[in-house]
Amino acid sequence: GAVVSQHPSRVICKSGTSVKIECRSLDFQATTMFWYRQFPKKSLMLMATSNEGSKATYEQGVEKDKFLINHASLTLSTLTVTSAHPEDSSFYICSAGRLAGVDNEQFFGPGTRLTVL
Amino acid sequence: LAKTTQPISMDSYEGQEVNITCSHNNIATNDYITWYQQFPSQGPRFIIQGYKTKVTNEVASLFIPADRKSSTLSLPRVSLSDTAVYYCLVGEISGGYQKVTFGTGTKLQVIP
Repeated sequence: GAVVSQHPSRVICKSGTSVKIECRSLDFQATTMFWYRQFPKKSLMLMATSNEGSKATYEQGVEKDKFLINHASLTLSTLTVTSAHPEDSSFYICSAGRLAGVDNEQFFGPGTRLTVL
Repeated sequence: LAKTTQPISMDSYEGQEVNITCSHNNIATNDYITWYQQFPSQGPRFIIQGYKTKVTNEVASLFIPADRKSSTLSLPRVSLSDTAVYYCLVGEISGGYQKVTFGTGTKLQVIP
């Protein structure tokens, strides 16, 4: 149990286009999901905290108009990279916490590799 | 959020016990310590979490001294498949979740 999926796993797009990444908790409900970005050989950087039914909370330095986050249900959060540019190329990872789960652990998705040409 | 400091890399032979120490001098009273493992191009995977003293599960042990300014992840008898980056995270649990900041992590290389 406690599986988080992401779709797509890999996407290549042209500069200026928008890309949507889905994060789903497959077998549990997640009122809160987190979005991270990871550059090659670097650590994960928290971008935003996504709460079901409300606006996401963005970390300092993350443009909310560029990285649109929607958490429409207890099992789905989406990240849309708008007008993507090559510098947005990165590994995007989501995570979800299972309410009243053991150890309050976050369950991470497999990640989405975004390449902007 | 408390900042953590870990060794950048470690090497170990197969079958040995590996101890990775993390410093978190500014840990707050309500902060928990959590360790994750990450393989290349994959999301992190939870290993163990603790607040104080010692915690043990089927894959690892976590040692936390009384002052909680550091913690040590102990991996018994590592195998080649344990080669990965290990992250020590510190954060408060609120609403059932722990908001964390990832540090640099420790790249563990297990040698045959």
